[in-house]
Amino acid sequence: AQTVTQSQPEMSVQEAETVTLSCTYDTSESDYYLFWYKQPPSRQMILVIRQEAYKQQNATENRFSVNFQKAAKSFSLKISDSQLGDAAMYFCAYRSQNGASNTGKLIFGQGTTLQVKP
Amino acid sequence: NAGVMQNPRHLVRRRGQEARLRCSPMKGHSHVYWYRQLPEEGLKFMVYLQKENIIDESGMPKERFSAEFPKEGPSILRIQQVVRGDSAAYFCASSPSTGRGYGYTFGSGTRLTVV
Repeated sequence: AQTVTQSQPEMSVQEAETVTLSCTYDTSESDYYLFWYKQPPSRQMILVIRQEAYKQQNATENRFSVNFQKAAKSFSLKISDSQLGDAAMYFCAYRSQNGASNTGKLIFGQGTTLQVKP
Repeated sequence: NAGVMQNPRHLVRRRGQEARLRCSPMKGHSHVYWYRQLPEEGLKFMVYLQKENIIDESGMPKERFSAEFPKEGPSILRIQQVVRGDSAAYFCASSPSTGRGYGYTFGSGTRLTVV
C-alpha cells in the first residue's frame, strides 16, 4: 500500500523569505501523480501544484515549485517570496495511475502547518 | 459554475442520532469521493462513487457508515448512531474522470460535532 509522510508538523518563515516543506512517499508503482494542497482556516482544500511521475521536469506555479526526486521518493514544496496569505496547513498527496489501482483516490500526508511572520 | 456544494457546513448531533451529509458535485462531474479529516490530521479516503454505483469503499468503517450517489440529486454520506469519535470534518471532492490529467474540486466540508 502507498503511504505519504510529512515529517514537519510545523514550519515558520519570515515574510518575503523562502521556505521548503518536505514530503516523502512509498510506492512500488511507476505511474502516479503527486499533489500539494493548501488548507487555510476556512477549511477549503486548494490545489497548489501537481507533478506527474513520468515527467522529469519539476512543476512550477508562480511562487510555488517542487523538487521531485523519483528515485528517492521525495516531493518537496518550495514557496518563494512568502506572503501572509500563504499561512495555512499544507498537505502532500499521492494518486495512483496504475490500472486497477486507479480509482482516483488521494492518499494524504499528515500535513504541515506553515506560519508566516510579518 | 457553483463548484462542489456541501451542506450543512456545521452539524451537531447527540450520541445515537443519525447524521446525513450532502454533496452536490460540480456540473458535469460524475465521480464523487468522500474524505474524513480528524483534528490535526490529514484527510483519509472513505469512499468513491459514480452515479448509482459504489466503486471503492475500502476506507469506510464496516458499521454505521453508508454512502450513495443516486441518479438524481446529491451524494449522501450517512452515519447512523453517531459516537463522539465520529466528530470530524467530512469533505467531498468531485472529478469528471479518473483519467490522466483530470483533477478534483473539493467542497468546503461539513464539520460534524457529536455531543
